[in-house]
Amino acid sequence: NAGVMQNPRHLVRRRGQEARLRCSPMKGHSHVYWYRQLPEEGLKFMVYLQKENIIDESGMPKERFSAEFPKEGPSILRIQQVVRGDSAAYFCASSPSGRVREQYFGPGTRLTVT
Amino acid sequence: ILNVEQSPQSLHVQEGDSTNFTCSFPSSNFYALHWYRWETAKSPEALFVMTLNGDEKKKGRISATLNTKEGYSYLYIKGSQPEDSATYLCAFSDTGNQFYFGTGTSLTVIP
Repeated sequence: NAGVMQNPRHLVRRRGQEARLRCSPMKGHSHVYWYRQLPEEGLKFMVYLQKENIIDESGMPKERFSAEFPKEGPSILRIQQVVRGDSAAYFCASSPSGRVREQYFGPGTRLTVT
Repeated sequence: ILNVEQSPQSLHVQEGDSTNFTCSFPSSNFYALHWYRWETAKSPEALFVMTLNGDEKKKGRISATLNTKEGYSYLYIKGSQPEDSATYLCAFSDTGNQFYFGTGTSLTVIP
């Protein structure tokens, strides 16, 4: 059973470009969470999705950031018109349905904005 | 915004020493408390999930306790080894299944 997969692992974008980060949850997992780790900081929640639904996006910046988890395919975190402050590690975690949803993390995507 | 606090921020211990650290979380709307081990350049790895007040979990030399009434959990490492060096994260999940992470305790075990 493959773990949570994220790609790319490293992404370099120039200011103003778009960044698309992909997350494939573990087989059988229908819940996906995205987190951001800024330099010298801990993991900050961004968004929680189930298939085709955004459940909680209270941690997402209001502009330029969006996330989706379509019926087929990976979850995508999109950052439009990136700025230097978007440089961070972005982690995705997935969990199964059920009462206690233990999260399993992917290896992260390190975004560098030049 | 819910506050999950971990202390200490960092810790250096000698190989063979036992150590413990604390996670404090809100006691309202509690659903579960999670501990993760996070090695540099890797992804966080789940250690324990605890849901009931008084829960104690153990995995090898690592164990954890939970007090939901007062809002804290302790993680203990017995006889620390260099391979235990990592950041230990705790996360509180509420009844809405949102996860709130602490900033972690960075443990360095000196051989």
